[in-house]
Amino acid sequence: GDSVTQMEGPVTLSEEAFLTINCTYTATGYPSLFWYVQYPGEGLQLLLKATKADDKGSNKGFEATYRKETTSFHLEKGSVQVSDSAVYFCAQRSGGSYIPTFGRGTSLIVHP
Amino acid sequence: NAGVTQTPKFQVLKTGQSMTLQCAQDMNHEYMSWYRQDPGMGLRLIHYSVGAGITDQGEVPNGYNVSRSTTEDFPLRLLSAAPSQTSVYFCASSNTANEQFFGPGTRLTVL
Repeated sequence: GDSVTQMEGPVTLSEEAFLTINCTYTATGYPSLFWYVQYPGEGLQLLLKATKADDKGSNKGFEATYRKETTSFHLEKGSVQVSDSAVYFCAQRSGGSYIPTFGRGTSLIVHP
Repeated sequence: NAGVTQTPKFQVLKTGQSMTLQCAQDMNHEYMSWYRQDPGMGLRLIHYSVGAGITDQGEVPNGYNVSRSTTEDFPLRLLSAAPSQTSVYFCASSNTANEQFFGPGTRLTVL
């Protein structure tokens, strides 16, 4: 069945470091892919999305490219800030499904 | 627009008590869902609805009931609370355009 696998955390970085959080998926057909972010004490909110192969989603300096050949949607940011400390969830939604499938989340901690 | 609202924010129950977690959305979304979030487990789907009068089970439905009498509301009922139901509960809604909107969560402790 459909699934999402993302790297386990926590990921601990210093401010201005480069960030990569890996995400791979299995799906029937061609799913839409998402990254959600959850700040402490809050619900999840959409960070970015891509709906077809080779699309790049971007928002707030974060980017992810839909790679069909490697079934991946890795999240990257060139220079993280303390305010980026949060839990990041990769998700996919196949065309025949009403509800997305989420990965387990990756905690990011950014130190000054 | 208030988006997705959840009440209460915090709740403490004793084992065996029942309660209802409220969820409402004002975006006229067809799809609504309930998740629980536990450390190391990510989000797990409890129940979902694809429209008023239609509900279905998710990954972890046991011990929970739902109903969807209106488009706006999707309450989650705990029939007889157990310590294993201590968790953070999130309600979400979406339309056919993919993005899910989440509520702020209800933090439930069962003693």
